[in-house]
Amino acid sequence: GQSLEQPSEVTAVEGAIVQINCTYQTSGFYGLSWYQQHDGGAPTFLSYNALDGLEETGRFSSFLSRSDSYGYLLLQELQMKDSASYFCAVRDGRDDQTGANNLFFGTGTRLTVIP
Amino acid sequence: DARVTQTPRHKVTEMGQEVTMRCQPILGHNTVFWYRQTMMQGLELLAYFRNRAPLDDSGMPKDRFSAEMPDATLATLKIQPSEPRDSAVYFCASALRTGKSDGYTFGSGTRLTVV
Repeated sequence: GQSLEQPSEVTAVEGAIVQINCTYQTSGFYGLSWYQQHDGGAPTFLSYNALDGLEETGRFSSFLSRSDSYGYLLLQELQMKDSASYFCAVRDGRDDQTGANNLFFGTGTRLTVIP
Repeated sequence: DARVTQTPRHKVTEMGQEVTMRCQPILGHNTVFWYRQTMMQGLELLAYFRNRAPLDDSGMPKDRFSAEMPDATLATLKIQPSEPRDSAVYFCASALRTGKSDGYTFGSGTRLTVV
């Protein structure tokens, strides 16, 4: 089975840096993704890590340590519009024609950015 | 921007009625997913298709739910008969490749309320 743990809520000040952690246990592991979801909206893809290390995309960075079954999403220069829920998700299969390839989501971290 | 289109956006129905939700994936995407989101369970995978063939529907209550993909431009999720516990937001997502950096693109969801 799969389980992912992330904090339920985080509050941070506008302009600050916040880190959202995710630990996972999966039967198979083919990458860790992060999604952002605003209230009433759809999840939108932010980043994907298949290998250890840091991936940077603008103000957002994502880190993965496969040996620790751990990753985090780092948001810099926080803006009010970053207030949303952030989900880590684990892919449990390969991208081939026959293998299962599910994306399992954590329960989400609700980030509130305050002035 | 290419997008996944879901209809209807909102649906209120009485218990026992049939509900059909539709999804138009992004043209050229060969993998389509149905997810259900509730406050208690978060995002749950119900079913997914690869090249229109169902690969996994183990997350779906088989006695009342059915998912089909009659052609490459249409995926459907049906509930018959509907029950109040089915109230949730149902998301469709599509992807071209998985296992790489490409993420899933989610539709705006169908908010279902069964009374």
